[in-house]
Amino acid sequence: KAGVTQTPRYLIKTRGQQVTLSCSPISGHRSVSWYQQTPGQGLQFLFEYFSETQRNKGNFPGRFSGRQFSNSRSEMNVSTLELGDSALYLCASMRSAGSYEQYFGPGTRLTVT
Amino acid sequence: QKEVEQDPGPLSVPEGAIVSLNCTYSNSAFQYFMWYRQYSRKGPELLMYTYSSGNKEDGRFTAQVDKSSKYISLFIRDSQPSDSATYLCAMKVIGTDKLIFGTGTRLQVFP
Repeated sequence: KAGVTQTPRYLIKTRGQQVTLSCSPISGHRSVSWYQQTPGQGLQFLFEYFSETQRNKGNFPGRFSGRQFSNSRSEMNVSTLELGDSALYLCASMRSAGSYEQYFGPGTRLTVT
Repeated sequence: QKEVEQDPGPLSVPEGAIVSLNCTYSNSAFQYFMWYRQYSRKGPELLMYTYSSGNKEDGRFTAQVDKSSKYISLFIRDSQPSDSATYLCAMKVIGTDKLIFGTGTRLQVFP
């Protein structure tokens, strides 16, 4: 069974630009969570989607947004990029909402210059 | 103070050693406890999870939870160079969606 796919794997953007990251969950999984990973803060929860609805949101500014499509694929968007947004963005796939069994993708490494 | 504290390491041990990785937490509402392993340039992979206090064993790995002390541990027996990775603890409150992660401990097992 194919794992979680994230695209692109690497991205370099300039301050002020916006970026869209994509995540395809494991087939049959309906819930997707997004995390930001940085050396200093570790993994921090961004948001979770289930059946195209956002169920929970972490403590991030409104510049961070996401959505989920009917096929469970998810995108997250960061507008007006700041240097501090440089991080590894991880997507986790779950069979159902609120599951502790989260399967992570390889992540998208975003560098903001 | 962070909800979950984890020593970042690095922890360097010889092959065959017993490794002990630990996390402490402050939120007594945490009910699910998980350990993830993350290799360089990869996403975390779930190693073990426990729901209650006590020990859970899976091959060379043992997860231990002490809710009274708010302390969890992961023991790795007969450590191998392939165990070299960052180990993250994660916790969850029943009925909520998000996992709260420790910052991870980097482990290096040398031959």
